[in-house]
Amino acid sequence: NAGVTQTPKFRILKIGQSMTLQCAQDMNHNYMYWYRQDPGMGLKLIYYSVGAGITDKGEVPNGYNVSRSTTEDFPLRLELAAPSQTSVYFCASSYPTPLSGRVQETQYFGPGTRLLVL
Amino acid sequence: AQTVTQSQPEMSVQEAETVTLSCTYDTSESDYYLFWYKQPPSRQMILVIRQEAYKQQNATENRFSVNFQKAAKSFSLKISDSQLGDAAMYFCAYRRGLNYGGSQGNLIFGKGTKLSVKP
Repeated sequence: NAGVTQTPKFRILKIGQSMTLQCAQDMNHNYMYWYRQDPGMGLKLIYYSVGAGITDKGEVPNGYNVSRSTTEDFPLRLELAAPSQTSVYFCASSYPTPLSGRVQETQYFGPGTRLLVL
Repeated sequence: AQTVTQSQPEMSVQEAETVTLSCTYDTSESDYYLFWYKQPPSRQMILVIRQEAYKQQNATENRFSVNFQKAAKSFSLKISDSQLGDAAMYFCAYRRGLNYGGSQGNLIFGKGTKLSVKP
């Protein structure tokens, strides 16, 4: 079980370039999330997905796009990279489970992708 | 909107001693979850402990325990017998009950507390 994997680990982009950050999980989790972490800050949600074919915006979605064609993969696309997108990007997944009338959920994180836009 | 505040940017503890990291949160919801995540220099986010708001009993995981004060909206983390491997950034996080669905299930993080452990 590899858990949540992310590629690449580090990337430098020029302003205006595009790239896709890859995220995959092998735990059959239906929920997946993309967060960004700016220096000295906690994580903020970019996009999330509750299952294949279903995605929605989080707190900071501008400049990003996502797709979820399979349960395992949840790529994050940057179309026109800007310096403000310099950050560390984390993917997470979870499998909400009903328990005693409530829903239990723990998010498991990937190792992160560090992105530098110059 | 829910907020999470960690008022201690940095903390230091002697090896084998006990340290407490503070966290307060603001919410009008009654059903929610609280988490402490550890982020070592590798940047991997590791779940340390979780607390369900409806449970009065404080969660414990080996050397890690919490002091959950629901009325005061306080959720502190106590690390006992501190080890060098405990040195990391620690993030407090909040999530609404998933019955609300969708992005309401996302984690809201504090800014973190950097813990140093002195040998």
